[in-house]
Amino acid sequence: KQEVTQIPAALSVPEGENLVLNCSFTDSAIYNLQWFRQDPGKGLTSLLLIQSSQREQTSGRLNASLDKSSGRSTLYIAASQPGDSATYLCAVRLTGQAGTALIFGKGTTLSVSS
Amino acid sequence: KAGVTQTPRYLIKTRGQQVTLSCSPISGHRSVSWYQQTPGQGLQFLFEYFSETQRNKGNFPGRFSGRQFSNSRSEMNVSTLELGDSALYLCASSLSLDRAREQYFGPGTRLTVT
Repeated sequence: KQEVTQIPAALSVPEGENLVLNCSFTDSAIYNLQWFRQDPGKGLTSLLLIQSSQREQTSGRLNASLDKSSGRSTLYIAASQPGDSATYLCAVRLTGQAGTALIFGKGTTLSVSS
Repeated sequence: KAGVTQTPRYLIKTRGQQVTLSCSPISGHRSVSWYQQTPGQGLQFLFEYFSETQRNKGNFPGRFSGRQFSNSRSEMNVSTLELGDSALYLCASSLSLDRAREQYFGPGTRLTVT
């Protein structure tokens, strides 16, 4: 059974710091991996989608990498800002399974202080 | 283009009652998935609909059901509510069942069971 783990569960950093969020998964047979952001009480906003054939994706100050063989993905946030404060979730989509169902980690709650 | 919309945004129900939640996908999207988010279990996949047919189902009891209409709008129903059903219910839409596609989430319906 695929399990997705995110460590740490919470992270506090001062504004301007570069940081890395970690995501690991137990089964390397994934189709792709998606990073989301969730603000308190709100829905999920998609940040980056990495297909299994890709090594990384970039969007603005965000860079996500994927290493399928080791079952790991990282989300790098450059020059963090207070507006980046949110919970960051990673989710994988499995091969050999129909449909678009995602298996989520429990997230890392990021707090950026000014 | 309007995003995924969910109604109602908040609900309070009593144990034993039943509830129906509604989701309107992004225009042109034909796949709708439902997820349950709780502090203890995180985000868990409930089911997915495409072309008015359930295509994939998570590990939830039969009290949880859903349907999709010809305009791709979807409803989920929970019968005989239990306290543990209190959660944020999120709906996500995608263009198709193509797993390479991103899922886009709505703001969620916060269900409280008393």
